[in-house]
Amino acid sequence: EVQLLESGGGLVQPGGSLRLSCEVSGISFSTNDMSWVRQAPGKGLQWVSSISRTGATTYYADSVKGRFTVSRDNSKNTLYLEMNSLRAGDTAVYYCANLQIAVAGTVPEYWGQGTLVTVSS
Amino acid sequence: QAVLTQPSSLSASPGASASLTCTLRSGINVAKYWIYWYQQKPGSPPQYLLRYKSDSDTQQGSGVPSRFSGSKDASANAGTLLISGLQSEDEADYYCMIWHGSVWVFGGGTKLTVL
Repeated sequence: EVQLLESGGGLVQPGGSLRLSCEVSGISFSTNDMSWVRQAPGKGLQWVSSISRTGATTYYADSVKGRFTVSRDNSKNTLYLEMNSLRAGDTAVYYCANLQIAVAGTVPEYWGQGTLVTVSS
Repeated sequence: QAVLTQPSSLSASPGASASLTCTLRSGINVAKYWIYWYQQKPGSPPQYLLRYKSDSDTQQGSGVPSRFSGSKDASANAGTLLISGLQSEDEADYYCMIWHGSVWVFGGGTKLTVL
């Protein structure tokens, strides 16, 4: 059974930091690029960041560039998202997914259940 | 103008067909892109349905019924998700997505009501 389990969400003040984790099992983590996608309450999906299977290449949405850092530990089958200088507009459910960098043979069909990040004073 | 535009809502009757459109911004040629489609129900993560580039280049998600299919309308510069034989369980939000300019871009989503 494939599982992507996000954790680390919660309530944080504006300007604060948070680190999300996504533990993956049931698929070959080290051969998958991975991504983070977020969804603000009542809104649509927004891609946040992607990282290559080795971690050597990363991509970010303009809205988070310079504030968020994606990383991975293939020995732990875990994806991370370090979020700094958080703003109210970052409030969302954050999903990890096996969404590849560019169109690839691997179908992006595995998503976690999401973790809620709330930025508020 | 947004890269991908979807109608915000669509209603259709059980047993009928529904055509959900995803229009690419002028200057972005739909013929060159794989269009991905996701279904999302309240409180759940998105579920991958299919991706479509052409009739010979399409990939259905695991367990996704064949009544979900993709197509393109070159004259409208749009991708389309066709759902035939609508069922009440198809009521959900549907999102299209493309890889453009080294980023993934989602459409705003269409809320499909089956009534």
